[in-house]
Amino acid sequence: GEDVEQSLFLSVREGDSSVINCTYTDSSSTYLYWYKQEPGAGLQLLTYIFSNMDMKQDQRLTVLLNKKDKHLSLRIADTQTGDSAIYFCAESIDFNKFYFGSGTKLNVKP
Amino acid sequence: KAGVTQTPRYLIKTRGQQVTLSCSPISGHRSVSWYQQTPGQGLQFLFEYFSETQRNKGNFPGRFSGRQFSNSRSEMNVSTLELGDSALYLCASRAGTEFNQPQHFGDGTRLSIL
Repeated sequence: GEDVEQSLFLSVREGDSSVINCTYTDSSSTYLYWYKQEPGAGLQLLTYIFSNMDMKQDQRLTVLLNKKDKHLSLRIADTQTGDSAIYFCAESIDFNKFYFGSGTKLNVKP
Repeated sequence: KAGVTQTPRYLIKTRGQQVTLSCSPISGHRSVSWYQQTPGQGLQFLFEYFSETQRNKGNFPGRFSGRQFSNSRSEMNVSTLELGDSALYLCASRAGTEFNQPQHFGDGTRLSIL
């Protein structure tokens, strides 16, 4: 349950949609999370999804979970320059162990 | 509600010294976890405390230790500092250890070892 993989970089233009992908290996994951980290700050919880759900929408954020492929994605609609940050995917195992991906750096070009 | 507070924000130490970092969780949160974040290794779990007891521990040497007080505040101690201990140390709190308790992070303590 310790392998959470993400691509390192993503670059999009302002106003476009961003899709950040994550794969995990432990099928006993209970919750999957997306965090945002801005320079000099800690991790800000964006959203999370229970492993028996397929999709969760929260304003501009849409989380899709494909449990069969162990694939999680975060879609940010109408991406803004303020969305530029590092995004971390994380899974929790048995509610008590958390594993984080290495983070995807999102660069939003004006 | 105030967020997770970590002090100090920045620290500079030399090899061989020891350091203590502090974390005050969100009011009402009883679980506190500590992570080390470095560019090369990413976010690595150090340990979690709940009700003053260590519940989980990551793969770090015994130089890394922690404790939690009755008011849920936590401290992390690193002894005999090494250059490789330079990192951002993040604290996260959550209400409990039940199923839908996400972690909330502080802004971290940036530790630099000279």
